[in-house]
Amino acid sequence: AQTVTQSQPEMSVQEAETVTLSCTYDTSESDYYLFWYKQPPSRQMILVIRQEAYKQQNATENRFSVNFQKAAKSFSLKISDSQLGDAAMYFCAYSRRKGGSEKLVFGKGMKLTVNP
Amino acid sequence: DAGVTQSPTHLIKTRGQQVTLRCSPKSGHDTVSWYQQALGQGPQFIFQYYEEEERQRGNFPDRFSGHQFPNYSSELNVNALLLGDSALYLCASSSVTAVNTEAFFGQGTRLTVV
Repeated sequence: AQTVTQSQPEMSVQEAETVTLSCTYDTSESDYYLFWYKQPPSRQMILVIRQEAYKQQNATENRFSVNFQKAAKSFSLKISDSQLGDAAMYFCAYSRRKGGSEKLVFGKGMKLTVNP
Repeated sequence: DAGVTQSPTHLIKTRGQQVTLRCSPKSGHDTVSWYQQALGQGPQFIFQYYEEEERQRGNFPDRFSGHQFPNYSSELNVNALLLGDSALYLCASSSVTAVNTEAFFGQGTRLTVV
């Protein structure tokens, strides 16, 4: 079975600084997706960034970038120039890439606080 | 585009009762997945519906059942409620045929069992 582990339950960062959130996963599949989702107090899960395992290049989306280490099964999220609106729960997630819509396997999440 | 909508937003039920939660998928999506998120935990996959049939199921008892309608909307039913069923229930929609299989989530239904 696939598992996702987020070992840091909470982190804090100063506004405009950079923070890195860590995630490890376990799978026997060779082709899969990895995701970072953000869940603000509004409760809605919002996709931050997605990485396809077959792509060696790390994904980037504006201030958000990942460090994908396939051999180490590590997938960290870097948030640059942190903003107050980045404060939320962040979840790392995995899904198989078998075509169609595969289920997401989530980690336990990490609470990010942004200090002004 | 209204995105994924869930109803109700909150509800309180008594142990042993039954509850029905509803989800309308994002326009153009044909697949609905349900997740249970206990307090302080990540979401856990309950099941997924496509073409009005249960396509995948997580490790949840038969008390949890669902349905998908021809318009792709879905219901989650939970029978014989237990205190441990108290959680945020999230619905996610996606498209089987889309190149980008991103799942879009609703804002969830907060269920409290007393």
